[in-house]
Amino acid sequence: GAVVSQHPSRVICKSGTSVKIECRSLDFQATTMFWYRQFPKQSLMLMATSNEGSKATYEQGVEKDKFLINHASLTLSTLTVTSAHPEDSSFYICSAIPGIYGYTFGSGTRLTVV
Amino acid sequence: SQQGEEDPQALSIQEGENATMNCSYKTSINNLQWYRQNSGRGLVHLILIRSNEREKHSGRLRVTLDTSKKSSSLLITASRAADTASYFCATDQGGGNKLTFGTGTQLKVEL
Repeated sequence: GAVVSQHPSRVICKSGTSVKIECRSLDFQATTMFWYRQFPKQSLMLMATSNEGSKATYEQGVEKDKFLINHASLTLSTLTVTSAHPEDSSFYICSAIPGIYGYTFGSGTRLTVV
Repeated sequence: SQQGEEDPQALSIQEGENATMNCSYKTSINNLQWYRQNSGRGLVHLILIRSNEREKHSGRLRVTLDTSKKSSSLLITASRAADTASYFCATDQGGGNKLTFGTGTQLKVEL
């Protein structure tokens, strides 16, 4: 089956620094990937749709300059949390749709900003 | 918010019993999906039911969809301790394959 690999699984960073999260499709090409955010014991909220070779589409209320998305190839999308603050601490998950296999999610990244 | 709602929020049952979770949504959909999430992990796709389908089975899972009531249910039969997880419904409303997730049900299956 199709696999989406997400790294790192956990990251702790200092307030004010930037953190990059990678999402890779391992055995298929993904022209579109999705980034979600999940707070503890809550549901997933779509942040943005990442499009290969073009700008990402952000959901209402999501700061574009805060959450930079780059989808430079058909197998890699990155989410960079810039100037991170404690309120950015959350669980970030990416997903892609590998054709007939349906939606596939990465294993998530737990970001803690101290 | 377009987010769907699930009930119950939490469910605790004994191993061997059946677990039923319900999901309600607000807009018309192309399909509805159910996912499982173990604590602190990614999501695992369980089953997809299209808007023109009313019931679907996969192993110990049974999903129903009532588009007139904008609701779905997930039944897990003969539950096992390993079924302990959070379960989310998600709807594809046809806008670029984006998924809108429900609030989730935390299932605990005790030995």
